Amino acid sequence: TQLLEQSPQFLSIQEGENLTVYCNSSSVFSSLQWYRQEPGEGPVLLVTVVTGGEVKKLKRLTFQFGDARKDSSLHITAAQPGDTGLYLCAPRRIQGAQKLVFGQGTRLTINP
Amino acid sequence: DVKVTQSSRYLVKRTGEKVFLECVQDMDHENMFWYRQDPGLGLRLIYFSYDVKMKEKGDIPEGYSVSREKKERFSLILESASTNQTSMYLCASSSPARPPYEQYFGPGTRLTVT
Repeated sequence: TQLLEQSPQFLSIQEGENLTVYCNSSSVFSSLQWYRQEPGEGPVLLVTVVTGGEVKKLKRLTFQFGDARKDSSLHITAAQPGDTGLYLCAPRRIQGAQKLVFGQGTRLTINP
Repeated sequence: DVKVTQSSRYLVKRTGEKVFLECVQDMDHENMFWYRQDPGLGLRLIYFSYDVKMKEKGDIPEGYSVSREKKERFSLILESASTNQTSMYLCASSSPARPPYEQYFGPGTRLTVT
């Protein structure tokens, strides 16, 4: 069983601040997805990263896949209340695998 | 607009009852999944179905069964509900023909077993 750790588990910051959350493992992954789950809803895919060292930007969100493909980070610039939610990483060990293993998530609260 | 719907948002059942959770997707996806979500534990896979009448156990199948008689519908069955099955249940679907194999989720069913 792969060990997958997301940190921090909880984060509460003020609007306008920057933040970074992490997804770490000792296993190598073929790809990794980040999902966001808003209160009362199911998770929604934000991004998929595939190549070691890859950086993808989605407006104020920057996702990075580690060079060794064992970890990933999500950086949010100038956080807004609409960024509030549970951020889940979901790596794939095998390319094309249909099942995902989800981390326990980072619960982010942005205070106005 | 793609959609995964779940039969109930909230459900309260008594210990020992048989419980059915229904999930329907309108995207013609081959894969369907049932997860349970508990604080601090993330999403844990209960069962996975990759085709009609085909299923695979996930990480925590004990106490659950599933049924997939039609492509668009995937049911989770709790044969005899217990209090430790109180949880949020999420259904998802995806297609193996569409990388990056995004999973589309329903809004969840919050089940309380008393």
